[in-house]
Amino acid sequence: QVQLQQSGPGLVKPSQTLSLTCAISGDSVSSNSAAWNWIRQSPSRGLEWLGRTYYRSKWYNDYAVSVKSRITINPDTSKNQFSLQLNSVTPEDTAVYYCARGWVGAEIWGQGTLVIVSS
Amino acid sequence: QSALTQPASVSGSPGQSITISCTGSSSDVGGYNYVSWSQHHPGKAPKLIIYEVSNRPSGVSNRFSGSKSGNTASLTISGLQAEDEADYYCSSYTSSSIVVFGGGTKLTVL
Repeated sequence: QVQLQQSGPGLVKPSQTLSLTCAISGDSVSSNSAAWNWIRQSPSRGLEWLGRTYYRSKWYNDYAVSVKSRITINPDTSKNQFSLQLNSVTPEDTAVYYCARGWVGAEIWGQGTLVIVSS
Repeated sequence: QSALTQPASVSGSPGQSITISCTGSSSDVGGYNYVSWSQHHPGKAPKLIIYEVSNRPSGVSNRFSGSKSGNTASLTISGLQAEDEADYYCSSYTSSSIVVFGGGTKLTVL
């Protein structure tokens, strides 16, 4: 079955870059029918979709307006994974971050990573 | 893009039916048949229970059903069970080619 395994640091300093990776097993990041998302959840902001990458004969990315100037999601076909980079973080970016597969509804989720932004 | 509007909480007794609404606009819920619902239990991976307005993934109980009228989507849970107590979130595709979530609804089974 499809599984997503997240990795990355749980503590990031303000103004630095948050970086997480999501390794895929049981599917391909290059699948023509899947989309690979990053979603976060915090008590103050609830559940927030951040963006996604997907392949439809070429690569596409969609990003939420709230983070569009700071976010990059990249596929890595050699390792069958995708990554999240969020620049210039502030304490407001403290949240549990999830990777997920799905177009609108996410049918497969990673285990979640608590990322705290603090000096 | 504003979040979709859901009631903060709903409650019902075992065996009853409840409905959770998810209100958006013609740019999201009303404009596309890409509304999904997920169930979130604390400490567990979220679970997709409805996709594309009214479709259930394999393995999801038929006690869960989804519908849409205009700019409002609804999730109905019939025959409430204690295990249904959880947070429920709707999500929708939007005209900006992005996804937006609702604020979430806490279901309490009395």
